[in-house]
Amino acid sequence: DTAVSQTPKYLVTQMGNDKSIKCEQNLGHDTMYWYKQDSKKFLKIMFSYNNKELIINETVPNRFSPKSPDKAHLNLHINSLELGDSAVYFCASSQVRTGGYGYTFGSGTRLTVV
Amino acid sequence: SQQGEEDPQALSIQEGENATMNCSYKTSINNLQWYRQNSGRGLVHLILIRSNEREKHSGRLRVTLDTSKKSSSLLITASRAADTASYFCATGSARQLTFGSGTQLTVLP
Repeated sequence: DTAVSQTPKYLVTQMGNDKSIKCEQNLGHDTMYWYKQDSKKFLKIMFSYNNKELIINETVPNRFSPKSPDKAHLNLHINSLELGDSAVYFCASSQVRTGGYGYTFGSGTRLTVV
Repeated sequence: SQQGEEDPQALSIQEGENATMNCSYKTSINNLQWYRQNSGRGLVHLILIRSNEREKHSGRLRVTLDTSKKSSSLLITASRAADTASYFCATGSARQLTFGSGTQLTVLP
């Protein structure tokens, strides 16, 4: 039933590891996003993606890469994890083509790098 | 840097009281949105107000927009304990929403 689902909900890993977070939306939306929320609750967009175009926030390290096997999925891969990557990562989707502006968010993945 | 800044950062009120949160932004906008985030959850879209609108209502929510002052306010009337959450304003294009720093609202029973 969940409109935007992310897995895992919690992820604890060591520095230097490579990890992935999965995201799926069943709303038929054409655009998906990844946001990072830090400990002060600041939300920063990382990626915006539809099947034609990827928009990357220029401040995102290239260790982060989105991968979309199809329009309902946008996974986030992170290489060589660093302590500063610890945060809550949110996937979201929206229907841009028909003028929809409201985003639907997943429940987040809390990543802790030790 | 954040496009929007909410004020106050934190607000604590008694159940039944009204809560008002403010958002200031920097650039011109087509619309402004408000979202709620309950603890440990994702953001939920509450309401969108377009740049040519001055006020919008949705249930117990009332949003105002003053484009000349680049500011918006969210009023929650007759607050309930379940309204306890962080509230964020958001502006930007359809594919690049930028969120403010949020107001943490606590409604005491």
